[in-house]
Amino acid sequence: DTAVSQTPKYLVTQMGNDKSIKCEQNLGHDTMYWYKQDSKKFLKIMFSYNNKELIINETVPNRFSPKSPDKAHLNLHINSLELGDSAVYFCASSQVGAALGTQYFGPGTRLTVL
Amino acid sequence: QQQVKQSPQSLIVQKGGISIINCAYENTAFDYFPWYQQFPGKGPALLIAIRPDVSEKKEGRFTISFNKSAKQFSLHIMDSQPGDSATYFCAASKGGGSNYKLTFGKGTLLTVNP
Repeated sequence: DTAVSQTPKYLVTQMGNDKSIKCEQNLGHDTMYWYKQDSKKFLKIMFSYNNKELIINETVPNRFSPKSPDKAHLNLHINSLELGDSAVYFCASSQVGAALGTQYFGPGTRLTVL
Repeated sequence: QQQVKQSPQSLIVQKGGISIINCAYENTAFDYFPWYQQFPGKGPALLIAIRPDVSEKKEGRFTISFNKSAKQFSLHIMDSQPGDSATYFCAASKGGGSNYKLTFGKGTLLTVNP
């Protein structure tokens, strides 16, 4: 029983394409996040949603658009993909006010833009 | 501006030795300091965390030492094992609530030789 799941695990695509990554959590958490991990392993937050409402929007190109249809799902859509978008994207979730805000991460989606 | 600085970038330790990873932070408003462990191909997972009201926290072979005045904290892994080989991230956050976010260090790749 996976806590935070992402699909797909691998995504290879051409420059200029549009792609989506899906994330689901079955922990009953109210907050979800997207992180980007670059080739040097640096983890940086991109977005967070609390109860379907956008809370954190770091300096991310507007080609990236998160969508939260309900509090268990947070999808990431990327338009006009660029070479620099190649990275591993992690979804995470947490519960506000619980367990010091521990964030639980998904397995990641490795995006390669050719 | 890197708010959490982590060192070393990589560390090689013999089995049974002590692994020490250091982090320094700048923002005195940070009040939660977790360490995450990431194995290749997996998402980061919480290892141990500390609040600044204590100077040390121990869980099994893992200990966090915290120095509030120096704005530094470190992870000690006693009796290091080959299975501990992973990338370790320190992180920091402030407050709670729905706009809670983690700021990560750049990671330390730990290799424990048998």
